[in-house]
Amino acid sequence: GEDVEQSLFLSVREGDSSVINCTYTDSSSTYLYWYKQEPGAGLQLLTYIFSNMDMKQDQRLTVLLNKKDKHLSLRIADTQTGDSAIYFCAETPYSGAGSYQLTFGKGTKLSVIP
Amino acid sequence: IAGITQAPTSQILAAGRRMTLRCTQDMRHNAMYWYRQDLGLGLRLIHYSNTAGTTGKGEVPDGYSVSRANTDDFPLTLASAVPSQTSVYFCASSVLAGGFNEQFFGPGTRLTVL
Repeated sequence: GEDVEQSLFLSVREGDSSVINCTYTDSSSTYLYWYKQEPGAGLQLLTYIFSNMDMKQDQRLTVLLNKKDKHLSLRIADTQTGDSAIYFCAETPYSGAGSYQLTFGKGTKLSVIP
Repeated sequence: IAGITQAPTSQILAAGRRMTLRCTQDMRHNAMYWYRQDLGLGLRLIHYSNTAGTTGKGEVPDGYSVSRANTDDFPLTLASAVPSQTSVYFCASSVLAGGFNEQFFGPGTRLTVL
């Protein structure tokens, strides 16, 4: 099946920038998403980008999209200990009949060192 | 506002037993989903429902069944549990609109099959 790929672990020092990378597979994905999962909780949408955009900025978060290379990245500026979590990249490959299921990557566990 | 709730929070189950995981949302979302999360495998879709009265198979449907009798409830049944179904199960819901699919997740059910 199709895979969304992302590295499993990232460790950064508090105050530094974090960059989490993802490669996706389906060029027809209209939206690409970043979800955050804090320990013991479900996933929560962090941010998303529409496929006709190259960049989206939202406070400390910057999403970059390279459609040619099917590469998505999430940059967190001034990373805080509260940013420690698992971050999932997700695409929406079109599967017919108006269905827009999400395909998630395996998640990147971000550890922030105080 | 409860959002999306799941029950039970956790369960230990003997192999061969039948188990139903409950999921209820109060957001009037048309679409609902069941995922399982396993270490190293990320989040995988089990079954989904785009609207009340319809269901569909996801990536890993074998051994699971669902029903969607109304908008709010989407129970997941394991007819005869096996140890490989030990996992954390997440229910989610969303409003499908124009290809955008922000999914709202419940807190999860941790299931152990012995």
